[in-house]
Amino acid sequence: ILMTQSPATLSVSPGERATLSCRASQSVRSYLAWYQQRPGQAPRLLIHGATTRATGIPVRFNGGGSGTEFTLTISSLQSEDFGVYYCLQYYDWPLITFGGGTKVEIK
Amino acid sequence: QVQLVESGGGVVQPGRSLTVSCVGSGFIFSNYGMHWVRQAPGKGLEWVAIISYDGSNKSYGDSVKGRFTISRDNSENTLYLQMNTLRPEDTALYYCAKDSDSSGWPPPWVDYWGQGILVTVSS
Repeated sequence: ILMTQSPATLSVSPGERATLSCRASQSVRSYLAWYQQRPGQAPRLLIHGATTRATGIPVRFNGGGSGTEFTLTISSLQSEDFGVYYCLQYYDWPLITFGGGTKVEIK
Repeated sequence: QVQLVESGGGVVQPGRSLTVSCVGSGFIFSNYGMHWVRQAPGKGLEWVAIISYDGSNKSYGDSVKGRFTISRDNSENTLYLQMNTLRPEDTALYYCAKDSDSSGWPPPWVDYWGQGILVTVSS
């Protein structure tokens, strides 16, 4: 299953809303996760089941969608939110696949 | 808390072999499937391999199939990745990562990651 993320880069001012997209080449139902990777750090789980926030994740992070179209919305960007975001499909577990990533940078 | 600590990376010549390891703590290691995921410099995440909780089932990504072998020692809480016939394109940060659950359905997601270990393939 091929996962495509858009845009590749998103320039956003602090306090603004950011919307990231992830598309699957076939339905993955709701078996989709989102990860944040800050520079020099390992990925961190944000969302699983397309919409469920992981433990300790702030409410400004919201996941949506099902089937082939998914979104991650960050309602009011904070300085610590800048980095690269990846989606992951695990419907086809154990053959999981990641999207190419969206870099969220400071405008 | 869950901790995954990789070790064993370094510089290796093309065509040679290297084994990297990952020690898990803070959870019952023998209950969970484990993955290796890699990230080439400046690139995205690429899934490499998975091993089931008991080591009986393994799957690999197409780019490493036939060259890499994943294994585990549950008595030592350790995951391994043996990498043979290494190529320059295998240069990457290698992360070990844990499945969220031990059952295959509903499918588990990856919930925790190590900090990664760098493998550089160069002459």
